[in-house]
Amino acid sequence: LAKTTQPISMDSYEGQEVNITCSHNNIATNDYITWYQQFPSQGPRFIIQGYKTKVTNEVASLFIPADRKSSTLSLPRVSLSDTAVYYCLVGNNAGNNRKLIWGLGTSLAVNP
Amino acid sequence: GAGVSQSPSNKVTEKGKDVELRCDPISGHTALYWYRQRLGQGLEFLIYFQGNSAPDKSGLPSDRFSAERTGESVSTLTIQRTQQEDSAVYLCASSLGRDREQYFGPGTRLTVT
Repeated sequence: LAKTTQPISMDSYEGQEVNITCSHNNIATNDYITWYQQFPSQGPRFIIQGYKTKVTNEVASLFIPADRKSSTLSLPRVSLSDTAVYYCLVGNNAGNNRKLIWGLGTSLAVNP
Repeated sequence: GAGVSQSPSNKVTEKGKDVELRCDPISGHTALYWYRQRLGQGLEFLIYFQGNSAPDKSGLPSDRFSAERTGESVSTLTIQRTQQEDSAVYLCASSLGRDREQYFGPGTRLTVT
């Protein structure tokens, strides 16, 4: 069963690129990697999901190396409104035994 | 369309009382999840429904916790004989299926006094 590890906190400045890495050493071959963003007093919100290599959408990119033991969420040109907690999630799609392994979250502070 | 809704938004109860938390998922979403989030902590998975059945209940912390889902729609999380350590925000999410994007509700903040 995969276990996820991510930094507790990160600091950045407006306009910079932020990369948050999640380690998942025991990821299974059929596990997807998903990232969520959470603001205070709100439920998490989906950012991006990937299985291998690179995925890009309008808000972020997700880089997954060939061994899939880690993944990196990349936020280009962050703004103050990107200050939030970012969670890495590894999900197992094997049969009906659905396991969801959430990281403890990375608290990102974007400074002016 | 409407998102995931949860009720009540806040619940204060006395230790030892039972509480029921409700989740209305997005229409058509077959998968439904319950999570617990203590103040300043990450998400703690409780239970997952696929349709009306719960193939994964492994996150329920004790037999005081139970959940059901009917009509492949609304779900109720019940906590019996509440304890102070049950105080947390309880989040519900739904999705079109496994490994699909989860849509979260605003949560129910439970305070046990």
